[in-house]
Amino acid sequence: QKEVEQDPGPLSVPEGAIVSLNCTYSNSAFQYFMWYRQYSRKGPELLMYTYSSGNKEDGRFTAQVDKSSKYISLFIRDSQPSDSATYLCAMTINNNDMRFGAGTRLTVKP
Amino acid sequence: GAGVSQSPRYKVAKRGQDVALRCDPISGHVSLFWYQQALGQGPEFLTYFQNEAQLDKSGLPSDRFFAERPEGSVSTLKIQRTQQEDSAVYLCASSLGAAGLTLSHYSGANVLTFGAGSRLTVL
Repeated sequence: QKEVEQDPGPLSVPEGAIVSLNCTYSNSAFQYFMWYRQYSRKGPELLMYTYSSGNKEDGRFTAQVDKSSKYISLFIRDSQPSDSATYLCAMTINNNDMRFGAGTRLTVKP
Repeated sequence: GAGVSQSPRYKVAKRGQDVALRCDPISGHVSLFWYQQALGQGPEFLTYFQNEAQLDKSGLPSDRFFAERPEGSVSTLKIQRTQQEDSAVYLCASSLGAAGLTLSHYSGANVLTFGAGSRLTVL
């Protein structure tokens, strides 16, 4: 079993839909949780990070962490075609070595 | 520079050849990381430098992999006697601050900026 599990999709939604992406993990020592967006042939770019459990909102994006269930989510409201990318969850104990999920490929159709 | 620069962007090697991949981090960034991203997978940690010191190389898959950052800026990842399973995108990332967070001290200094990667294909 991988340390971080993420459904690779692909996920296809119409423009304006609410998108829900999620990951589960096994290592209870993880404290920092991130979501990265990766466009084709580009490096990952940080979207959001959260420390420990709780919610965090940034514009159309909301990140949720439930440490008791070892489950994290990213919600995208009013999705746009420009949101089409691969979304990677990542987590770390102390930023020395970050563990990534496999990534979920999202397509938002106009 | 404005971002993390990696070269070459694409490299094709015959099995058994040695390759060297270069990373130019953002100027002044203390921390530098190398990750390996296989097709359809997330990045996997290879090694971490704080300035010129290689503090963690636990992710290097074999002794054919070697990384250095001799002057604390540019880094090179070298793969000797390449094998087909080495085919992947090799990502470099840098951050302003030193790694090793405590409590909620995650800040802009800890954010990793990734390069576009070097895609290695071993035939």
